[in-house]
Amino acid sequence: DIQMTQSPSTLSASVGDRVTITCRASQTISKWLAWYQQKPGEAPKLLIYDASSLQSGVPSRFSGSGSGTEFTLTISSLQPDDFATYYCQQYNTYPRTFGQGTKVEIK
Amino acid sequence: QVQLQQWGAGLLKPSETLSLTCAVYVGSFSGYYWSWIRQPPGKGLEWIGEINDSGRTNYNPSLKSRVTISVDTSKNQFSLKVTSLTAADTAVYYCARVHYDILTGHLGAFEIWGQDTMVTVSS
Repeated sequence: DIQMTQSPSTLSASVGDRVTITCRASQTISKWLAWYQQKPGEAPKLLIYDASSLQSGVPSRFSGSGSGTEFTLTISSLQPDDFATYYCQQYNTYPRTFGQGTKVEIK
Repeated sequence: QVQLQQWGAGLLKPSETLSLTCAVYVGSFSGYYWSWIRQPPGKGLEWIGEINDSGRTNYNPSLKSRVTISVDTSKNQFSLKVTSLTAADTAVYYCARVHYDILTGHLGAFEIWGQDTMVTVSS
């Protein structure tokens, strides 16, 4: 299985901050990576697919980059609604696998 | 707008079988893969498997011996069965639609999710 490792596990930030989350794959996955946002008690929501494509309806302050084994999710200016847990997920190979999550907390 | 609605028994005993169903409302059922994903309390996400409208499946090897995913195209529904339950199967279960890239044929991200079903396995 491809292991997905996110860093950091927890991130404390303030409204307006620029936030970057990293995801590393244990082997190359080309561009086949997604980012999700999950709030307590809710299903995950797709933010980014194919490493850098913004899902319809997602604010443009979210962006993704990377290819191969290293990827980043950036929130350009953190908003109150963005405090949540973020997961990366690869869909290059079966079984599909997720990172362990990064919790973005209020500083 | 496509909506996924899921249901099934929430409290089960060890060794019993979990059965969940997910219905797809509004939009096409055909031409997509449909997936099940679970999340143990306080933990991360685990992909269980997927099925298309033709009944072709892919399963997570870690669960494959206990999992069956089936489809009923007449009702635009797909279902999950997990046998020989243990406490480790306690989780929130989600159904989801897999993005399909028409140009490349590549199966992609989980673009639409159901609301969740909490399944507890306890004696």
